[in-house]
Amino acid sequence: NAGVTQTPKFQVLKTGQSMTLQCAQDMNHEYMSWYRQDPGMGLRLIHYSVGAGITDQGEVPNGYNVSRSTTEDFPLRLLSAAPSQTSVYFCASRTWGSTDTQYFGPGTRLTVL
Amino acid sequence: AQSVAQPEDQVNVAEGNPLTVKCTYSVSGNPYLFWYVQYPNRGLQFLLKYITGDNLVKGSYGFEAEFNKSQTSFHLKKPSALVSDSALYFCAVRPPHNTGTASKLTFGTGTRLQVTL
Repeated sequence: NAGVTQTPKFQVLKTGQSMTLQCAQDMNHEYMSWYRQDPGMGLRLIHYSVGAGITDQGEVPNGYNVSRSTTEDFPLRLLSAAPSQTSVYFCASRTWGSTDTQYFGPGTRLTVL
Repeated sequence: AQSVAQPEDQVNVAEGNPLTVKCTYSVSGNPYLFWYVQYPNRGLQFLLKYITGDNLVKGSYGFEAEFNKSQTSFHLKKPSALVSDSALYFCAVRPPHNTGTASKLTFGTGTRLQVTL
């Protein structure tokens, strides 16, 4: 199993550009989520999905879109990047059981100029 | 709403000494509690979790955590620290539900552990 994979590892954007951060998992996990990590803020939930075709907002959803067309993939889209979106982004997945552990991808470091 | 507090931004300890990283939580009902570790330029790795049962939970790399319901705490401990334990540690909590927003994991702000020779 590759676990949770994310691409790209690093990305630099100019203000106003759009891009998609990719996330995939091969563990057949129903639940997937996106977090951003900023110094002194811990991890904050952006969007999450409890299964294919179902998504919902987390704490900080503004400026981000998601979709879940398959169980494996959960891309995060930035429609018009802003400097405030400079951060490290982590994708995570877990099963839908009551005692399950969440598994994290290696992260994408995004800089918006 | 659920929340997690990690009151120390950084904990410094000498190698061989015991270490404690503090965590307190607020959640409705019986909590599910987790500790994760993040090494530089890496994703978060699961260390241990408390779901139910024995208040002392043992995890990876010799770490353990003690659940204290009356103090709403879940402190991470290790009897003898190693330099290689130096990393960023996150405590997390979620309520014991499987549907909707109640299933979300809430993280603390993290504590940087620095172990020196």
